[in-house]
Amino acid sequence: GAVVSQHPSWVICKSGTSVKIECRSLDFQATTMFWYRQFPKQSLMLMATSNEGSKATYEQGVEKDKFLINHASLTLSTLTVTSAHPEDSSFYICSANTGTGGEKLFFGSGTQLSVL
Amino acid sequence: KQEVTQIPAALSVPEGENLVLNCSFTDSAIYNLQWFRQDPGKGLTSLLLIQSSQREQTSGRLNASLDKSSGRSTLYIAASQPGDSATYLCAVEVRNSGTYKYIFGTGTRLKVLA
Repeated sequence: GAVVSQHPSWVICKSGTSVKIECRSLDFQATTMFWYRQFPKQSLMLMATSNEGSKATYEQGVEKDKFLINHASLTLSTLTVTSAHPEDSSFYICSANTGTGGEKLFFGSGTQLSVL
Repeated sequence: KQEVTQIPAALSVPEGENLVLNCSFTDSAIYNLQWFRQDPGKGLTSLLLIQSSQREQTSGRLNASLDKSSGRSTLYIAASQPGDSATYLCAVEVRNSGTYKYIFGTGTRLKVLA
């Protein structure tokens, strides 16, 4: 199956700093990537849909200026958590497919963010 | 608004049992449904994808069925093994104005005891 690489796996940062998370499709071109947030023992909450070369579409209640998403190439999307605060601590996961829908989703291994 | 619910939330069974995990969704206008497995602290692995025109899909000991009209899907796991212990999530694909996204269920945490 297709491989999606997510980096870093975990990050600890001080409150007020910004953190960038990368999501790469290694063996296919990902026209569309999705970013999710997951709290302990809860399901995945879609934050935004990222399409290559265009602005991301954010879900209701997700702050665009807080969670900056860039999808500059067909194999890379980044999520930057700006001015992180303890309440931003969570597990962030990206997923990707070729962008036409109706296909299997492939997920990165996730990033555990802890903000002190 | 599409809502996806999974029952039970948690399940603990002895090895060898056959299991049924349930997924229900409120809006039948879906394009497909996928079942995923998630190990603790990890990403998700796609297990089965059922297109909206299909009734079921099988892979090894796993069988997933889909009844769009009633808003339900089941994942059947035959002869469960300790290695099956994980959280199982279902997700439905919805589309709107040329865009698509996946809505995830609440998950079932499965523990298979040796």
